[in-house]
Amino acid sequence: ELKVEQNPLFLSMQEGKNYTIYCNYSTTSDRLYWYRQDPGKSLESLFVLLSNGAVKQEGRLMASLDTKARLSTLHITAAVHDLSATYFCAVAYTGTASKLTFGTGTRLQVTL
Amino acid sequence: DTAVSQTPKYLVTQMGNDKSIKCEQNLGHDTMYWYKQDSKKFLKIMFSYNNKELIINETVPNRFSPKSPDKAHLNLHINSLELGDSAVYFCASSPNQGTEAFFGQGTRLTVV
Repeated sequence: ELKVEQNPLFLSMQEGKNYTIYCNYSTTSDRLYWYRQDPGKSLESLFVLLSNGAVKQEGRLMASLDTKARLSTLHITAAVHDLSATYFCAVAYTGTASKLTFGTGTRLQVTL
Repeated sequence: DTAVSQTPKYLVTQMGNDKSIKCEQNLGHDTMYWYKQDSKKFLKIMFSYNNKELIINETVPNRFSPKSPDKAHLNLHINSLELGDSAVYFCASSPNQGTEAFFGQGTRLTVV
């Protein structure tokens, strides 16, 4: 069974600081997604990573994928308060009944 | 135009009642899902349908019965509601199985 673990589960950081969220998964997969969820809201797709070594950047967020290490990272550069949200990675198991298995989520709080 | 829409947004009901949640997507996707998000924000897949056919049923109690009248709709009917069913239920769709999923706004179900 595919397991997806994120760490940290909770992250409080000051504005202007950098930090990385890690997503480890247990089974071979070449598709990984990052989502953002604001409190009481739906999930918004941030990044789609489809191959080993893929790197995507949008504003202060950068995501990467290492399929050999079964690891994805979401790097935050010079955090701002607007980035406060819960971030999920989701991994697609490449099988006959593919589905997205979500990580535990990382709640990010950016303080002034 | 809302891509994935589900109704109602909020649902408060008594134990033992039967309730339904409706979901529609206008993205032309083949695959639709129901996810459950518990109080700790953990997201777990319940069902997946591909072109109206049930693909995944993740050991969900028989009280939960999905129905897909066509590939743009996936409804969820819940019988004999229990306190433990309280959660946020998200409908999602994706072009194919295991590809990027787009989520509805969620239905917050509270069983009292």
